[in-house]
Amino acid sequence: QVQLVESGGGVVQPGTSLRLSCAASGFSFSNYAMHWVRQAPGKGLEWVAVISYDGSHKYYADSVKGRFTISRDNSKNTLYLQMNSLRPEDTALYYCARKPPTTTGIDSWGQGTLVTVSS
Amino acid sequence: QSALTQPASVSGSPGQSITISCTGTSDDVGGYNYVSWYQQHPGKAPKLMIYDVSNRPSGVSNRFSGSKSGNTASLTISGLQAEDEADYYCKSYTSTSTYVFGIGTKVTVL
Repeated sequence: QVQLVESGGGVVQPGTSLRLSCAASGFSFSNYAMHWVRQAPGKGLEWVAVISYDGSHKYYADSVKGRFTISRDNSKNTLYLQMNSLRPEDTALYYCARKPPTTTGIDSWGQGTLVTVSS
Repeated sequence: QSALTQPASVSGSPGQSITISCTGTSDDVGGYNYVSWYQQHPGKAPKLMIYDVSNRPSGVSNRFSGSKSGNTASLTISGLQAEDEADYYCKSYTSTSTYVFGIGTKVTVL
């Protein structure tokens, strides 16, 4: 079955960097666009970024543009999120999520990895 | 990229129907038939309930339905059940090829 397993979260200081990974299995990873979505503690969902199936197109939320970079390695079935210049407001549970080719819905989600930005 | 507007809370008795609205602009909800809805129980990952305005994924109860009129999309839950108590979020594609979620609605079954 479809599995998305995020890793790389932790506690970091403001201004530092962190790279999240998402290992995908159970489906043809290279056929699917992928999203990162985050949720601050006790708050709602916030869309972060999306990458096309082949990595040629990437789009970001204004709140992370210029600081975060989404990428993928289809040979390793892995999605990444490089997060630079982290701020306290980036503290959240970060979900990796799959977008099917023919719709805009997100049909599979990981369980998330927690990023805490605090001094 | 302002969050889509949803009511903070909606409640209903078992068996009743409720509707959750999701209001955006012509640059998102109104401009595309690309609205989806997600259910999230506490401590769990979201679950896709409706995609592309009114389509239901396999395995989702037909008590859930979606629609859109102008800049407002709606999710209707009919025959409300205790297990429907959760947070619900809409999401739309936008004119800048990005996506935006709604602020979320807490559904309470009385």
